Amino acid sequence: EPEVTQTPSHQVTQMGQEVILRCVPISNHLYFYWYRQILGQKVEFLVSFYNNEISEKSEIFDDQFSVERPDGSNFTLKIRSTKLEDSAMYFCASTHSINYGYTFGSGTRLTVV
Amino acid sequence: EDKVVQSPLSLVVHEGDTVTLNCSYEVTNFRSLLWYKQEKKAPTFLFMLTSSGIEKKSGRLSSILDKKELFSILNITATQTGDSAIYLCAVGLIQGAQKLVFGQGTRLTINP
Repeated sequence: EPEVTQTPSHQVTQMGQEVILRCVPISNHLYFYWYRQILGQKVEFLVSFYNNEISEKSEIFDDQFSVERPDGSNFTLKIRSTKLEDSAMYFCASTHSINYGYTFGSGTRLTVV
Repeated sequence: EDKVVQSPLSLVVHEGDTVTLNCSYEVTNFRSLLWYKQEKKAPTFLFMLTSSGIEKKSGRLSSILDKKELFSILNITATQTGDSAIYLCAVGLIQGAQKLVFGQGTRLTINP
């Protein structure tokens, strides 16, 4: 069964450093998303991406965050200058149609120290 | 503010029991309601509901949506230890390419 692949599975970074979280969505999917889950809290929407542009972003997704689909297969989330409160599990998801549920990746656990 | 509330937050039952998980919501621009199972990391898709009163079924799992009363239930019959997981309810909104608003999840534990 096709999967959404995320790398790395765990990343530890110093506060103020830039991180790039990588995702390979399912190949025929058209809609891409990033969500995050702070330990013990709800899964939160960050951003949706369709037709090579952002469809919507949440209040969390400020100027420190950006997304890119550089080559038609990867979908990346960049955090420019990480803060302690960015520590969370980051999930990538994709779907070929909004009439169907998304497929989530296994997540990247980001720890900012 | 869009809100999704699940109950109970935690449930412990014996293998073979039937369980009902609840999800209520208050959102603008409702499009769909989705159920996911989260075992270790990735939420796994179970059901997507868009119409009231139509039950969706997959094996021992079933779910139904009530758009008038703004809730959904997920039923699991003849539970097995492999059903132990966090069950997430999410509402898909019309905007944002169906961005999802999640509830806090129900942690279900099935004891042998």
